[in-house]
Amino acid sequence: QQQVKQSPQSLIVQKGGISIINCAYENTAFDYFPWYQQFPGKGPALLIAIRPDVSEKKEGRFTISFNKSAKQFSLHIMDSQPGDSATYFCAASKISNTGKLIFGQGTTLQVKP
Amino acid sequence: EAGVAQSPRYKIIEKRQSVAFWCNPISGHATLYWYQQILGQGPKLLIQFQNNGVVDDSQLPKDRFSAERLKGVDSTLKIQPAKLEDSAVYLCASSLLLQNEQYFGPGTRLTVT
Repeated sequence: QQQVKQSPQSLIVQKGGISIINCAYENTAFDYFPWYQQFPGKGPALLIAIRPDVSEKKEGRFTISFNKSAKQFSLHIMDSQPGDSATYFCAASKISNTGKLIFGQGTTLQVKP
Repeated sequence: EAGVAQSPRYKIIEKRQSVAFWCNPISGHATLYWYQQILGQGPKLLIQFQNNGVVDDSQLPKDRFSAERLKGVDSTLKIQPAKLEDSAVYLCASSLLLQNEQYFGPGTRLTVT
């Protein structure tokens, strides 16, 4: 019940295309869903996050779509750029709990010029 | 504002040796986390501190791992004795008290031979 499943494991997109990464969770008590971006040799950096009281959140080219009934959320990267090439992790936690993040397995995104 | 600092960045040791990692969180961040990230996987929480106290250490292998956070600021994570399966990146993160946004350091890459 603590798992967060992420797909696909890897993704190749052409420059200017849309990158879509999906995550599914089991624990309905989760109420905070962030996405992290990690470049090689660096720690994860918070990209965007959503709470379950909204179905979509947009920040620049990055959008989170959230489907509470399906227990799924996804990251959309519009107009993907080579600089977006990185590993992306979804995560989930219970705000009222200790803040412990449960991470997905990660998606390696390659944006081809 | 300075980010989370970690040292060393890289460490190679033989199995059964001991090793220690150091973390300095963002100034004013009361909560500090240690994560283990095995190659190809998402980070997994090992231990969480709130000020000086341990909030969650349920996934810390206590027979070989230990951590402390003296004076509620810097923290050290120790492994003694190390096993081959401890090869991973050890990430430190911090957050403001009762806030969900966690900020990660660059990590320490440990190789156990």
